[in-house]
Formats: sequence, C-alpha cells, structure tokens
Amino acid sequence: AQTVTQSQPEMSVQEAETVTLSCTYDTSESNYYLFWYKQPPSRQMILVIRQEAYKQQNATENRFSVNFQKAAKSFSLKISDSQLGDTAMYFCAFMKPPTGPGTASKLTFGTGTRLQVTL
Amino acid sequence: DTGVSQNPRHKITKRGQNVTFRCDPISEHNRLYWYRQTLGQGPEFLTYFQNEAQLEKSRLLSDRFSAERPKGSFSTLEIQRTEQGDSAMYLCASSLLVAARSYNEQFFGPGTRLTVL
Repeated sequence: AQTVTQSQPEMSVQEAETVTLSCTYDTSESNYYLFWYKQPPSRQMILVIRQEAYKQQNATENRFSVNFQKAAKSFSLKISDSQLGDTAMYFCAFMKPPTGPGTASKLTFGTGTRLQVTL
Repeated sequence: DTGVSQNPRHKITKRGQNVTFRCDPISEHNRLYWYRQTLGQGPEFLTYFQNEAQLEKSRLLSDRFSAERPKGSFSTLEIQRTEQGDSAMYLCASSLLVAARSYNEQFFGPGTRLTVL
C-alpha cells in the first residue's frame, strides 16, 4: 500500500514571497503519478500540478513548480510570488496508473498543509 | 458545463437516521469516485464507478453504506443508521476515461458535510 506524508500542518508566507511545501511518499511501484491539490476554504479541491514518475523533468505551472526526487521519494511544491488567493489547504497525492480498463485510478492523499498568505 | 455538483452541501442528522447524498458529475464523464474526508485528514477513497458499474469498494465502506449510479449519470451515497463517526465531508469526483491505462484527471465537487449528533 502507498502512503503519503506531509509533515508541515501549517505554514505562513508573506505576499510576493516564495514558499515550499514538503511531501514524502512510500511505494514499491516504479511508475506512478504525483499531484498537488489545492482546497480553498469552503470550496472544491482543484488540481495544481501533476508529475509523472517516469519524467525526470520537474513539472511547472506558472508560479507553481515541483522538486521531484524519485530516489528519495520526495515531492515538494514551490509557490513563487505568493498571492492572497493561494491561501488554502494543500494536499499531496499519489496515484498508481490503472492496470486495466476497469481499474480504479484512486488517489491516496496526505494529511495536508494549511497555507496562509499574509500581507 | 458547471463542473461536479453535490447536494446537499450540508446535512445535520441524529444518530440512527438514514441520509442520502447526491453527486452530479461532469456530463459525459464515465468514471465517478466517492471519497471521505474527516477533520484534519486528507480524503480517503470509498468507492468507484465506471458508467453504472460499481467496480471497487474500500474496506472503509461498511455494510451501512451503499452507493449507486443508475444509468451511469448521477450517483447517490446512502448511509443507514448513521453513527457519530460518520461525521465527515463526503467528496465526489468524476473523470473521463479516454483509453485503458491512461491518466484521467479527477475533478472534484464541493462536497457534502455531514454532522451526526
């Protein structure tokens, strides 16, 4: 079974600064996907960024980038130029690729990091 | 298309009562997932549908829980004889399977927050 660990329950960053959220995971799989999801207060969870394990290049989406260290099983999220709208819970998640047409692509989540962006 | 919707958004019930939640996925999404999120935790997988077929259930889904997806469109999650431990946010997600073994992004609804008194 896979596990995802987020060791930072809460973090705070000033507007326009950079913050890094940590995530480690454990799996015996060689191919998988890793994700960062954002859950704003009272709003639905949205995908921030995705990384395929077979890709060595770190994924980037505008102000969001990851540092994927496969050997260390580490997957951190860097948010640059933080904005007030980035205030949310951030979840790291793991997914095994489906092995067949009927296999669930279920996500395994960490416990989350609450990020507060301040003025 | 307005995304995944869930109703009700909030439900307060007394222990022992039955409750039913509804999820409307993004139209034409053939996969639908239910997750449960308790306070301070990340979402945990409950069950999964491909079209109308329920193909996988987590051990978290006790026999008091039942989920359906008639006609492969909306889905319902019913909890019978609710217990205080059932208090949680119930999240629904949908995705479109394009090809077997391919990645398909899950889009989440806003959730139904259940409080059992």
